[in-house]
Amino acid sequence: GQSLEQPSEVTAVEGAIVQINCTYQTSGFYGLSWYQQHDGGAPTFLSYNGLDGLEETGRFSSFLSRSDSYGYLLLQELQMKDSASYFCAVRDSNYQLIWGAGTKLIIKP
Amino acid sequence: EAQVTQNPRYLITVTGKKLTVTCSQNMNHEYMSWYRQDPGLGLRQIYYSMNVEVTDKGDVPEGYKVSRKEKRNFPLILESPSPNQTSLYFCASSLSVLGDRNVETQYFGPGTRLLVL
Repeated sequence: GQSLEQPSEVTAVEGAIVQINCTYQTSGFYGLSWYQQHDGGAPTFLSYNGLDGLEETGRFSSFLSRSDSYGYLLLQELQMKDSASYFCAVRDSNYQLIWGAGTKLIIKP
Repeated sequence: EAQVTQNPRYLITVTGKKLTVTCSQNMNHEYMSWYRQDPGLGLRQIYYSMNVEVTDKGDVPEGYKVSRKEKRNFPLILESPSPNQTSLYFCASSLSVLGDRNVETQYFGPGTRLLVL
């Protein structure tokens, strides 16, 4: 079966850096996406990796290693508003988007 | 304003009473999909559509139907709802698939909270 594994919860301090890992096992792979979801809200797009390497968008960066079936989301200079759930998602060979169960990020002052 | 709209936002119904949740996007996107979100399970794809008149089953299609007669609309139909379909439903669209981040970015509707008694 297809699966994406990510930690269920991560805690960090305001101003710090946090990394959320995602490992995947899917039938085919066309890219890894990251989404943020605040409580009660809809997911919003953060980052996408189609090829190996690092993608940077402001305070957020995402990394992909296709040979290791692994990626991560890096959040820098954490702010209280970054408290949310973060999901990784993989586009498989059937053009489906397979999602991880999400990582709840708790930020402490 | 570019957006995905869903209606209704909240719905309480009874077992067996057919219902339709509408989804519409104004971005001329080719790819549309429906997800359900349950606590601890993340988002699970119900159905998706690559373009008009093209629909495919996702991971959890049982009990649901969809249609894509126009590019902008992708309604979700529950012919005979059951309590296990109580969930939060999201519609999403993207320009297409298999491209760069601009192509792959999914835009989500605000969600529909469904309670089936």
